[in-house]
Amino acid sequence: GAGVSQSPRYKVAKRGQDVALRCDPISGHVSLFWYQQALGQGPEFLTYFQNEAQLDKSGLPSDRFFAERPEGSVSTLKIQRTQKEDSAVYLCASSLSGGRGETQYFGPGTRLLVL
Amino acid sequence: AQKITQTQPGMFVQEKEAVTLDCTYDTSDPSYGLFWYKQPSSGEMIFLIYQGSYDQQNATEGRYSLNFQKARKSANLVISASQLGDSAMYFCAMRVSGAGSYQLTFGKGTKLSVIP
Repeated sequence: GAGVSQSPRYKVAKRGQDVALRCDPISGHVSLFWYQQALGQGPEFLTYFQNEAQLDKSGLPSDRFFAERPEGSVSTLKIQRTQKEDSAVYLCASSLSGGRGETQYFGPGTRLLVL
Repeated sequence: AQKITQTQPGMFVQEKEAVTLDCTYDTSDPSYGLFWYKQPSSGEMIFLIYQGSYDQQNATEGRYSLNFQKARKSANLVISASQLGDSAMYFCAMRVSGAGSYQLTFGKGTKLSVIP
């Protein structure tokens, strides 16, 4: 596709439910990033993949958060036993090869609301 | 640790005027990149402009230019000839070199409102 796509765009979950958020990066992009953006804040890093390898998961806030990219393209961010504080916009970004000066292209985000 | 500071929560500018959005950064790494993104109400982060720490000249992209003052650790975004469609949140971000991790560190953003 032309850009990064994410689904669903909006998700409402009851506290305690599991959710799965999907990211489809730009075709051919090796690097994939997940960020969390709380209301009124800038995005914060969650995790980073290079192809199928998860090279950095230092930003995941708890072991309830899990991400995978099994075939090096589509990625899924899973949140187990959702809590109210998980309510945020989850942004996915991809870049060609991950170089320092390389632009990360973002998707439209998934807005998660946990009730 | 890396840090980005955007001290202007909100800014107003008259249509067709120029506006400067401030950004200061803090890092001990000599090799880094600075980015500006625009986030309209739709939520998508749109890349605007990039400046590398070793670049000799200030970056420009159409109506956007980056006023890079390395000694002061500032990377202000200048938007010339503002348009109504420029109304959005603007984020400054930094990326440092480092084995295994290439994430962006973002500031809190500045909300720009263009007045007709």
